[in-house]
Amino acid sequence: GNSVTQMEGPVTLSEEAFLTINCTYTATGYPSLFWYVQYPGEGLQLLLKATKADDKGSNKGFEATYRKETTSFHLEKGSVQVSDSAVYFCALPSGNTGKLIFGQGTTLQVKP
Amino acid sequence: GAGVSQTPSNKVTEKGKYVELRCDPISGHTALYWYRQSLGQGPEFLIYFQGTGAADDSGLPNDRFFAVRPEGSVSTLKIQRTERGDSAVYLCASSRIAGGDHYEQFFGPGTRLTVL
Repeated sequence: GNSVTQMEGPVTLSEEAFLTINCTYTATGYPSLFWYVQYPGEGLQLLLKATKADDKGSNKGFEATYRKETTSFHLEKGSVQVSDSAVYFCALPSGNTGKLIFGQGTTLQVKP
Repeated sequence: GAGVSQTPSNKVTEKGKYVELRCDPISGHTALYWYRQSLGQGPEFLIYFQGTGAADDSGLPNDRFFAVRPEGSVSTLKIQRTERGDSAVYLCASSRIAGGDHYEQFFGPGTRLTVL
């Protein structure tokens, strides 16, 4: 079945640093790919998505490109802020029900 | 509009007891999912409803877990004879369209279950 592997955290950065969180996947076909974020004390929310190969999803300064050659969907941001401190999850659907398979999550801490 | 709500937010119970966890999805969303998130892990799929029926319950760990959605809206996850290993955050999500792989799932805040 489909699966996703995410880089382990925690990741600690200074404000305005460049962020990369790696995500690779194994899938049948070319499913949509997602990044979800969980801010402290809040529920999971969709950060961005890409629905086909070579698509770039973007939101709040974050970007991720769906790369089928390397089966990757790495999350990047050019200049992180303290408010970006959260847990980030890479995910993809499995089967025809849309149920999501999540990575283990990467905790990002941004220090001022 | 209102998002997905879950009650209770916290539930502490003793080993062997029965618990019910409730999910109110976004109005009009036909698809409803339950996930379980253990500490330091990503959410794991439990069960999916399309309308009133459980279309995929392959993630339920054993027959102590059961979920219903009798009117196609509110869903209840029921756990019998709870065990300490059931302690986790139980998440509910809903989606506007049933099935499909690129429709956003909206998550509730979760119910933190602790089994003593």
